[in-house]
Amino acid sequence: QQQVKQSPQSLIVQKGGISIINCAYENTAFDYFPWYQQFPGKGPALLIAIRPDVSEKKEGRFTISFNKSAKQFSLHIMDSQPGDSATYFCAASEPSKAAGNKLTFGGGTRVLVKP
Amino acid sequence: EPEVTQTPSHQVTQMGQEVILRCVPISNHLYFYWYRQILGQKVEFLVSFYNNEISEKSEIFDDQFSVERPDGSNFTLKIRSTKLEDSAMYFCASSEWNTNTGELFFGEGSRLTVL
Repeated sequence: QQQVKQSPQSLIVQKGGISIINCAYENTAFDYFPWYQQFPGKGPALLIAIRPDVSEKKEGRFTISFNKSAKQFSLHIMDSQPGDSATYFCAASEPSKAAGNKLTFGGGTRVLVKP
Repeated sequence: EPEVTQTPSHQVTQMGQEVILRCVPISNHLYFYWYRQILGQKVEFLVSFYNNEISEKSEIFDDQFSVERPDGSNFTLKIRSTKLEDSAMYFCASSEWNTNTGELFFGEGSRLTVL
């Protein structure tokens, strides 16, 4: 019930194209859904996050779409650039003041943007 | 910009040896975490720490693992008797309590190789 399933495992997109990564979760207590970006040799870094009270959040070229009834959320990268080539992880959590924000990560998607 | 720092960046050890990985979280953060990432796989939660005690731990975090905040700034992960399967990248993270965001800030990781 704690799993977060992510697809696809890898993605190749042409520069200027759209990258779409999907995640599904089971635990209905999750109420925070971030996406992290990881470059080789680096730690994950927060890209964008959403709470379940909204269905979409956009920050620049990155958009999260959230479907609470289906327990699914996705990341769209518009106008993909070679610098976006990285591994993207979705995550979910149930933040609490007692325990903080333990993230459960999806399996990751390696995105390669070809020039 | 404040950051989480981790040492060593890479440690090679023999099976059965004790290893201590060190982290300096962001100074005003209250919650501290250790995650691990086996090469090419997803980021897995190990343990969270708040108010000088473990707030949550995963099944991976067995009796061979321990955490400590010895001096108010450092946060350490100790593996008492390393096994081959402990080879992974270990990430430290920290966060503050904020009802609107739950961002975890990750360090660059410590790569542990057990021979």
